[in-house]
Amino acid sequence: AQRVTQPEKLLSVFKGAPVELKCNYSYSGSPELFWYVQYSRQRLQLLLRHISRESIKGFTADLNKGETSFHLKKPFAQEEDSAMYYCALSASSGTGNQFYFGTGTSLTVIP
Amino acid sequence: DAGVTQSPTHLIKTRGQHVTLRCSPISGHKSVSWYQQVLGQGPQFIFQYYEKEERGRGNFPDRFSARQFPNYSSELNVNALLLGDSALYLCASSFPDIAYNEQFFGPGTRLTVL
Repeated sequence: AQRVTQPEKLLSVFKGAPVELKCNYSYSGSPELFWYVQYSRQRLQLLLRHISRESIKGFTADLNKGETSFHLKKPFAQEEDSAMYYCALSASSGTGNQFYFGTGTSLTVIP
Repeated sequence: DAGVTQSPTHLIKTRGQHVTLRCSPISGHKSVSWYQQVLGQGPQFIFQYYEKEERGRGNFPDRFSARQFPNYSSELNVNALLLGDSALYLCASSFPDIAYNEQFFGPGTRLTVL
């Protein structure tokens, strides 16, 4: 079974502090992983994806296959980072595509 | 481009009724996916359509069905509505496929089943 786990529903950090949002996955194949973000009153949107190995808005995420993790990190949190963050996994097989989201972590950055 | 559009915005139905939700993808996008998001949970994958063919199906009962039209717009149909079908239904489009590519989400349709 494929599954994405985000153990923290709520996370609060002070402005300027480092932030790490945890994501663990369970998948028997080679995973394609994403982080999506939803700011207040906005649509769900892509933050970054593993395949691009890019840094967006100062966030990075490293795939650790040994620990089956794809944690999202930022060295210095900003107030505008307050949002709902979802880790997601894409799975493709002969039977078709599947896409799995975690339950999300609500990040609050305290001024 | 207004992005992905969905209609209606809100919908109230009673148990046993049928509902049709509509989605228009971003121009040029050929893939449409549907998700159900229950309050407090992440989106759950229902279907993916690409070039009018079903390319993926989540763990939902046969009461849920969808189709994609030649202009790449899509409909999600739910029959015999249950109280548990109350949720936000999200549509997302991508080019060309969802496996590696960014999905662009619509604002959602809020369905309430009484």
